[in-house]
Amino acid sequence: ILNVEQSPQSLHVQEGDSTNFTCSFPSSNFYALHWYRWETAKSPEALFVMTLNGDEKKKGRISATLNTKEGYSYLYIKGSQPEDSATYLCGGSNYKLTFGKGTLLTVNP
Amino acid sequence: NAGVTQTPKFQVLKTGQSMTLQCAQDMNHNSMYWYRQDPGMGLRLIYYSASEGTTDKGEVPNGYNVSRLNKREFSLRLESAAPSQTSVYFCASSEAGTSGRFEQFFGPGTRLTVL
Repeated sequence: ILNVEQSPQSLHVQEGDSTNFTCSFPSSNFYALHWYRWETAKSPEALFVMTLNGDEKKKGRISATLNTKEGYSYLYIKGSQPEDSATYLCGGSNYKLTFGKGTLLTVNP
Repeated sequence: NAGVTQTPKFQVLKTGQSMTLQCAQDMNHNSMYWYRQDPGMGLRLIYYSASEGTTDKGEVPNGYNVSRLNKREFSLRLESAAPSQTSVYFCASSEAGTSGRFEQFFGPGTRLTVL
């Protein structure tokens, strides 16, 4: 089982702030990295799936980068809005996907 | 297009009772998964099915069985429920393979309480 760590565990920001979180994973035998957005009382929804070192993906104000050599991925949110409040879940795969425990983001108006 | 559906949404069982959680997807996906979510633990994989006719254990399979009934349906059975199985259960599916190359689509979850 891959050891996937996310930090911070939780984060409070003000509306308009930009923020970022980290997902770290063992760099050996890496295959893919997933990011999901998980709103309270709903189910996770995929944001990005990345496989290549140096990959950068963007969806609106949210973007992610991947460094497979050092075993980390960053998720960035530019100009946070209250509707961005959710748990952001990272999953790493070495041919089987394992999820971290998530980062809970709260954006205060 | 309903995506991934799960039944029931909520269930309360007594210790020792059995039940089956149902999951179906209409996206023609090959792979399906069962996860449980517990506070502070994230999502943990119980069982998965890479393709119709195959099932494999995940991280926490003890106390559960699964059936991949056909390409659309993947059920999770608790033969003798225990309080430690109180959790929220999510079913998911992905286009092909279980290597992680494809995003997973999640159902709405089943909240199970075992007394």
